[in-house]
Parts: sequence; C-alpha cells; structure tokens
Amino acid sequence: EDQVTQSPEALRLQEGESSSLNCSYTVSGLRGLFWYRQDPGKGPEFLFTLYSAGEEKEKERLKATLTKKESFLHITAPKPEDSATYLCAVQASSGTYKYIFGTGTRLKVLA
Amino acid sequence: DAGVIQSPRHEVTEMGQEVTLRCKPISGHNSLFWYRQTMMRGLELLIYFNNNVPIDDSGMPEDRFSAKMPNASFSTLKIQPSEPRDSAVYFCASSRNTDTQYFGPGTRLTVL
Repeated sequence: EDQVTQSPEALRLQEGESSSLNCSYTVSGLRGLFWYRQDPGKGPEFLFTLYSAGEEKEKERLKATLTKKESFLHITAPKPEDSATYLCAVQASSGTYKYIFGTGTRLKVLA
Repeated sequence: DAGVIQSPRHEVTEMGQEVTLRCKPISGHNSLFWYRQTMMRGLELLIYFNNNVPIDDSGMPEDRFSAKMPNASFSTLKIQPSEPRDSAVYFCASSRNTDTQYFGPGTRLTVL
C-alpha cells in the first residue's frame, strides 16, 4: 500500500536556527514527490516537485532533496514568516493522477 | 491567472440539509480533484475528474456524497443529507493531466 509519513509532527525553531523536515514514502514506482506549504485558513501552496533520486530543488531558504526512500526539506536560517504546515505528497508511476499526502509538519519559527 | 476558485468560503448548515460546494479550475487544466481535510485524517482525496469524466471516486465516503463536472470550467460536490461528521475543510485542486496540482482556498463546512 502506498504510504507517506512525515516527521516530526511539529517543530519549533528560533529565527536563524536551520533544520530539516523528513518525508518517508513507500510507493509502487515513484512518478513524483511534491512539497506544499499550507498557512492557516488557506489551501496548500505548491513549492517543489522532485522526480528522481539525487534531485535537488531550491527556493529562497528552502531546499528539497530526494532519495529512493525519503525526501528532506531543509530550511536554512528560517524567519518567522516561514511558519506554516509543510505537506509532502507522492504520485505513483502507474498512470494514476492521485497524490498520497502525509499529515504534515507544523513549523513555528520564533523571533 | 485567477487560480482555482471555490465558493462558498464558509458554510454553516444544520444536519439533514443539502450542501453544494462549487469549484472553478484554472483555465487550461483538464484534471480536477476534490479533497477533504480534517485534523484527524489530514488531506483525503474524494474524487477526481479528467476531461470532465469521473476517473476515481473510491474516496467518496458514502452515497450521501456526489460530484459532477458538467463542463471544463465548473464542478460541484454535493452532500445530501449532511451530518455533523461531514464538518471539514473541502479543497478543490486542478492540474494539466498528471502535472502539479494547484489548490483553491477551500470551503470550511460546519454541520450542526
């Protein structure tokens, strides 16, 4: 069964304190792994797509990496505005359009 | 581009009433997805359409839920009759085939 597990569930960081969020997955052939950011009361906002092991994507203070079993979202020198829930999803390569989402990591960055 | 548009943004209704949620996908996108988000279960896919045709409705909880996509620019999710356990945030997302999904702002449903 396709499954996505995110850890930790919640994370509190001081401003400037770098850290990483983890997304472990099991899927019958990976077509893509997606990272989204969700602010309270809003819909998930797309951040990155990763397709193959070894691939990396960067955007401002965020960097996403992918291995055959997991993905990391590295946050470098975070700011309070980075506080949000970060969601990971996988899409199988079997032709389905479906995403399987993890339950997310709630990040709080303190000033 | 206006992004995915959902209405209403908030809906409060009483148990047993019919609820209709609406979605307008991004222009040019041919796949549309309905999700439900709760604290307990996270984001769950209810149903998705490709080229206005329902492809997978295995996530629809029960017969009280139905969805339609009469044309490429409009979809509805209907709950009849509604129950308190249906209270959640319902998201619509769209994509071009299997490409990245883009989400709307959601409809927060409260069933009393």
